[in-house]
Amino acid sequence: QSVLTQPPSVSEAPRQRVTISCSGSNSNIGNNAVNWYQQFPGKAPKLLIYYDDLRPSGVSDRFSGSKSGTSASLTISGLQSEDEADYYCASWADSLNGWVFGGGTKLTVL
Amino acid sequence: EVQLLESGGGLVQPGGSLRLSCAASGFTFNTYAFGWVRQAPGKGLEWVSGISASGGDTSYADSVKGRFTISRDNSKNTLHLQMNSLRAEDTALYYCAKFYSATLTTVPDHWGQGNLVTVSS
Repeated sequence: QSVLTQPPSVSEAPRQRVTISCSGSNSNIGNNAVNWYQQFPGKAPKLLIYYDDLRPSGVSDRFSGSKSGTSASLTISGLQSEDEADYYCASWADSLNGWVFGGGTKLTVL
Repeated sequence: EVQLLESGGGLVQPGGSLRLSCAASGFTFNTYAFGWVRQAPGKGLEWVSGISASGGDTSYADSVKGRFTISRDNSKNTLHLQMNSLRAEDTALYYCAKFYSATLTTVPDHWGQGNLVTVSS
């Protein structure tokens, strides 16, 4: 059972928009920034969004992040087949003095 | 270019020990925090341990506290994870992660390719 809650899977058609949610608590998301990672099978996670809504250099602007209270969201617009991957949210947890992750969401582009 | 190369994994019996290493290059090693994140086969990401740039601040998941020890050698640009009293549930791909700055509360922004640890008799 992961500390941060994500839907196990989402699916949407190409060129559409999909949103992945991440729910936490006051000791993690509510008091700290959220990061999002993209992971392809057999590959290392890649930072997609950091500090809630910032994109690292080289990440497409089709990816965007937001946060409100103890929940965060990752939105992918203009879906492409190459977006099929697992997506993880992460946040620092004050009460644990460590990082917590969501269980991951598998995105399928129909 | 940031490069993180893990080594030291392998097959070990329950109760045994392993020492993982992460050799870093492409940046000034001693100004960044580092961590270890693991992923059991077919499962999600799990925080294991982290260490600040100075080495003065460390973090451990409850599941490894007292068994694992993180350390860094700033003279050799290398991060280590000493793993003792290994259990079957420690079986996972272990990723070395560099942080965005000197402290553990920022962002793990670059990850190595992972090193497989298998605990089995």
